[in-house]
Amino acid sequence: DVKVTQSSRYLVKRTGEKVFLECVQDMDHENMFWYRQDPGLGLRLIYFSYDVKMKEKGDIPEGYSVSREKKERFSLILESASTNQTSMYLCASSSVGVQGGIRETQYFGPGTRLLVL
Amino acid sequence: QKEVEQDPGPLSVPEGAIVSLNCTYSNSAFQYFMWYRQYSRKGPELLMYTYSSGNKEDGRFTAQVDKSSKYISLFIRDSQPSDSATYLCAMIYAGGTSYGKLTFGQGTILTVHP
Repeated sequence: DVKVTQSSRYLVKRTGEKVFLECVQDMDHENMFWYRQDPGLGLRLIYFSYDVKMKEKGDIPEGYSVSREKKERFSLILESASTNQTSMYLCASSSVGVQGGIRETQYFGPGTRLLVL
Repeated sequence: QKEVEQDPGPLSVPEGAIVSLNCTYSNSAFQYFMWYRQYSRKGPELLMYTYSSGNKEDGRFTAQVDKSSKYISLFIRDSQPSDSATYLCAMIYAGGTSYGKLTFGQGTILTVHP
């Protein structure tokens, strides 16, 4: 059974703190993604990685960075948390298949609800 | 204008109703279409996946794609309270170097009441 886990379900941080969100997948997937989900805005891609140590900016990378030192682990870093980064953060992974093929289905973790005070 | 627009809802229907969820898109490069279901406090999970124009059926769920109109739909027959969730449409480009990058709609919150 496929599994994507995220280190925390709920986090409360203060403005200016450095925040680490961890994601681990056990499916040997090449691709990993970080999204944030806000009411009325759907899922917005922050960063993605298609290989170890490789990363690409998504649609809203400002204020975030990522790290992928091992294939199974993808970390999202908020260098200096701000209140507008209060959100639900979702990690996903997918394998590399024929472009757009079913193998590229993304599997999601349960999410981390982050509150920045 | 967003690349993918989804009827925001929320939608509230009685048990047994037929539900129609819809998305439109602007970029004809989208070739692969998915519907994800997200229960409260959970991550999205893949519900339906389609490629070609036409209908695809899976139990009570039917996914419909009309590429000429750039319009996709998800129909739920005989809706159940357990169908209450947020439904997200998602699309992938064909070709290019998208690395499996999905573009999502905003999501529609569906409540089916007994």
